[in-house]
Amino acid sequence: GAGVSQSPRYKVAKRGQDVALRCDPISGHVSLFWYQQALGQGPEFLTYFQNEAQLDKSGLPSDRFFAERPEGSVSTLKIQRTQQEDSAVYLCASSLDVAGGATDTQYFGPGTRLTVL
Amino acid sequence: GNSVTQMEGPVTLSEEAFLTINCTYTATGYPSLFWYVQYPGEGLQLLLKATKADDKGSNKGFEATYRKETTSFHLEKGSVQVSDSAVYFCAPLDSGAGSYQLTFGKGTKLSVIP
Repeated sequence: GAGVSQSPRYKVAKRGQDVALRCDPISGHVSLFWYQQALGQGPEFLTYFQNEAQLDKSGLPSDRFFAERPEGSVSTLKIQRTQQEDSAVYLCASSLDVAGGATDTQYFGPGTRLTVL
Repeated sequence: GNSVTQMEGPVTLSEEAFLTINCTYTATGYPSLFWYVQYPGEGLQLLLKATKADDKGSNKGFEATYRKETTSFHLEKGSVQVSDSAVYFCAPLDSGAGSYQLTFGKGTKLSVIP
């Protein structure tokens, strides 16, 4: 596709439920990122993949958060036993990684708005 | 890691007014610098970027210059339009230890009135 796509666009979960959020990056993009954006705040980094390798997961807030990219393309962010504080917009971004990533533009998807009741 | 201090909003300007949104950052080394924009109901879009000191990024009439001495990357536009109403985010790219995460400011909401 032309851009990064994410699904679902909106997700409502009851506290304690597990959720899975999907990201389809731009075709051919090596790097993939997940960010969390709370209401009225800037996005905060969660995790980073280069192809299928998860090279940085330092931003994941707890062990309830898990991300994977098994074939180096589509990625899934899973949140187990959701809590109200998990309510946020989850953004996925991808980049081409031409020069090792230090100057690459990250292209963002529209996000998934998660509401935990 | 990096940190960003961005001008607090909201900012309300009349059409054709001059815009400055201040951004300063702390970082190890010399990160690439980005401005992203989020229009109402839309996702984050790259506005402009600069990858080394004294570089000027520009797009859609917006400009920002990478100032290493003052660790700043202020966004400017000479004459804003109603269509520029959006939230603007300053973001250095942290490339330490093989990771490439953006560190975003809190965002500055701009409203331009006719």
